[in-house]
Amino acid sequence: ETGVTQTPRHLVMGMTNKKSLKCEQHLGHNAMYWYKQSAKKPLELMFVYNFKEQTENNSVPSRFSPECPNSSHLFLHLHTLQPEDSALYLCASSQEGTGGREQFFGPGTRLTVL
Amino acid sequence: EDQVTQSPEALRLQEGESSSLNCSYTVSGLRGLFWYRQDPGKGPEFLFTLYSAGEEKEKERLKATLTKKESFLHITAPKPEDSATYLCAVQARAGKSTFGDGTTLTVKP
Repeated sequence: ETGVTQTPRHLVMGMTNKKSLKCEQHLGHNAMYWYKQSAKKPLELMFVYNFKEQTENNSVPSRFSPECPNSSHLFLHLHTLQPEDSALYLCASSQEGTGGREQFFGPGTRLTVL
Repeated sequence: EDQVTQSPEALRLQEGESSSLNCSYTVSGLRGLFWYRQDPGKGPEFLFTLYSAGEEKEKERLKATLTKKESFLHITAPKPEDSATYLCAVQARAGKSTFGDGTTLTVKP
């Protein structure tokens, strides 16, 4: 595997289900991100982990719960979601340092909440 | 608050018709400005990083430039395979990245 991988690629869930999204980066980076991308909206940053520590939580509802067990893996646990949470969820990684750092994205998980 | 505004929202070109995409930004201390390409249903693909005004980067038919207030992505003699949404993002001194809404480019053969 190379780059950033995400599973599953597609997920359909009911409002009462619990599911998890998985992200793995094979780039040796030290920072990982979760983004939400809805139709006709810009990328919304949800969570940032830097050296496995959560450094940012952009007022995301508690029905989204991130987990970063190590610098290569990132999870997004989902429970009691709403239909408006349907979107493309993107994971990204970067090597953070003193300069600006580009992010490398996974293919995304297309989530549909019924 | 950091802001990124991209224009136009959509751009339709004939194959071979050169044009430019604009990214205007305000940021509290620029660490880097990034351009990405995103195809439908896929994650963004990194294209360029620009760090300071006056800097330019090129890759095939694409050329990115940077001033203190905006960046341009110039597309020379585009082909249909260049059709995609192009995203601009800035990273502030504090480390946070802000993305623009994107410009959707369609190149007709």
